[in-house]
Amino acid sequence: KAGVTQTPRYLIKTRGQQVTLSCSPISGHRSVSWYQQTPGQGLQFLFEYFSETQRNKGNFPGRFSGRQFSNSRSEMNVSTLELGDSALYLCASTTGYTEAFFGQGTRLTVV
Amino acid sequence: LAKTTQPISMDSYEGQEVNITCSHNNIATNDYITWYQQFPSQGPRFIIQGYKTKVTNEVASLFIPADRKSSTLSLPRVSLSDTAVYYCLVRDNAGNMLTFGGGTRLMVKP
Repeated sequence: KAGVTQTPRYLIKTRGQQVTLSCSPISGHRSVSWYQQTPGQGLQFLFEYFSETQRNKGNFPGRFSGRQFSNSRSEMNVSTLELGDSALYLCASTTGYTEAFFGQGTRLTVV
Repeated sequence: LAKTTQPISMDSYEGQEVNITCSHNNIATNDYITWYQQFPSQGPRFIIQGYKTKVTNEVASLFIPADRKSSTLSLPRVSLSDTAVYYCLVRDNAGNMLTFGGGTRLMVKP
């Protein structure tokens, strides 16, 4: 069974640009959640989707958005990038009732 | 917002038992407590999950008191390869948000 796949693995963007990250969950998993990981703030919850609906949202500005498609794949978008957005962005999938499985993450560097 | 706290770091020696406690005062009533292990440049890896009392699997045990305001991950007979950062994850009962603890960096020495 394939695991959670995140693309791209690495990304370099300049300030002011926007970026879209992709997450393909494990087959059969309907819930996808996103996290930002930085050395200073640790793992912080961004949002959670279940069956194409945003179920929860963390305390991030509106520049951070996401969506989930009918096949459960999810994307997150960050607009007007800032240097502080440099982080490892992790996606996790679950059936909704079991433990979450994480992808390898996308490392975003904003220069 | 719920505060989920763990010790920042712990040291141990090979063969010892390690216990890492996570405090989660505002845990949601009906959700599980989950622990993850993370190595550098990798996503967190599931270790164990529980709702109450004690859960044991092939790699760890999880102890949860009746009030569920804390949980303790127990790693029996650690080895050098258990050197990693360990996180607890809970859902808080305020905004229903998933909240990670700050992570405990475990260093296992020979």
